[in-house]
Amino acid sequence: GQNIDQPTEMTATEGAIVQINCTYQTSGFNGLFWYQQHAGEAPTFLSYNVLDGLEEKGRFSSFLSRSKGYSYLLLKELQMKDSASYLCAVRDRNSNYQLIWGAGTKLIIKP
Amino acid sequence: DGGITQSPKYLFRKEGQNVTLSCEQNLNHDAMYWYRQDPGQGLRLIYYSQIVNDFQKGDIAEGYSVSREKKESFPLTVTSAQKNPTAFYLCASSLRGQFNQPQHFGDGTRLSIL
Repeated sequence: GQNIDQPTEMTATEGAIVQINCTYQTSGFNGLFWYQQHAGEAPTFLSYNVLDGLEEKGRFSSFLSRSKGYSYLLLKELQMKDSASYLCAVRDRNSNYQLIWGAGTKLIIKP
Repeated sequence: DGGITQSPKYLFRKEGQNVTLSCEQNLNHDAMYWYRQDPGQGLRLIYYSQIVNDFQKGDIAEGYSVSREKKESFPLTVTSAQKNPTAFYLCASSLRGQFNQPQHFGDGTRLSIL
């Protein structure tokens, strides 16, 4: 079956670095997306990985290991506005290429 | 500016009533999607449409219906058969067949039961 696991909640300090993990189990992996969602708002796209390795985009980086079914989102120089939920989604060939979503990780930034 | 517009932002449904959620996009995207978001759960796909006049059921289509008569519009009807409709509903769109392209989301409609 399909399964995506993320920690429910994490806390970090302003200015620090945090790593949010995502593990997945799917037989038809075809890419992984990370989204940011502030409470009550729309998810916004952060990053996309389909090959193993690190994709860097400013303060945010995303890593993928297909053999381990594992990804992480790395946020550097944390700002208060980074307090949000971070959603991991996997595209599955065996689900007509639709996205399978994790429940999201709520990140709380403290001063 | 291009984007996705959902309306209304808040909606209340009475017992036995059907309600329709609007979703309009001007991104010229072929594919459109409806998701339901409940606390502590991932987004769940209700219906999706890859082209005009065609749509497919997602994982939780029971109690919902859609239409896709125009490329820009993908309205969702929550019927009285949906016994637990209280949730945050998100509409999204994307380019069709380009798997590295993300889905773009509207601001959502929060539906509650009166």
